[in-house]
Amino acid sequence: AQSVTQPDIHITVSEGASLELRCNYSYGATPYLFWYVQSPGQGLQLLLKYFSGDTLVQGIKGFEAEFKRSQSSFNLRKPSVHWSDAAEYFCAVGARGAAGNKLTFGGGTRVLVKP
Amino acid sequence: KAGVTQTPRYLIKTRGQQVTLSCSPISGHRSVSWYQQTPGQGLQFLFEYFSETQRNKGNFPGRFSGRQFSNSRSEMNVSTLELGDSALYLCASSLDEDGYTFGSGTRLTVV
Repeated sequence: AQSVTQPDIHITVSEGASLELRCNYSYGATPYLFWYVQSPGQGLQLLLKYFSGDTLVQGIKGFEAEFKRSQSSFNLRKPSVHWSDAAEYFCAVGARGAAGNKLTFGGGTRVLVKP
Repeated sequence: KAGVTQTPRYLIKTRGQQVTLSCSPISGHRSVSWYQQTPGQGLQFLFEYFSETQRNKGNFPGRFSGRQFSNSRSEMNVSTLELGDSALYLCASSLDEDGYTFGSGTRLTVV
């Protein structure tokens, strides 16, 4: 069975500082990995995804993530955080194929940005 | 192009009632999946439909059901509502190889 762990429930970062959010996954085959962001009361917005190929993935809003198979990790990074990045971030692993599509999410990391 | 549209945005229902939520996917997307989000359990997969067939189902009781129409629009139904069904229900559509686009959700409150 697939699972995702986001070890940090809350992270506080100063505006302009760098941000790294951790994600570890468990999946039997080659994973499809995603990072989503959610603002309060809103749906999920896709930041980036990894299906195959280059293990460093660029996304929207200046985010990037690196897939490390040996560590079963897919950490999200941003070099310089803006106040608008305050939100909750979810890592997800996707199962695909004849059995259907399904995302398994981590518990989320809430990011607070200090001025 | 238009995103995923979920209606209604907010609902208040009484215990024991039933509710139907609607999701219109992005045009051309044939896969629609549903998720429940609660503070205690986080985001959990409910089910996925593709070309009017349920392809995958999460670990929820039979009170939760869904369907998909020929135009790919989907509905989910919850019967005999319980207080614990209060949640944000999210719908996502997919073009299979392209990832998942989520709607803004329906906030259901059961009183």
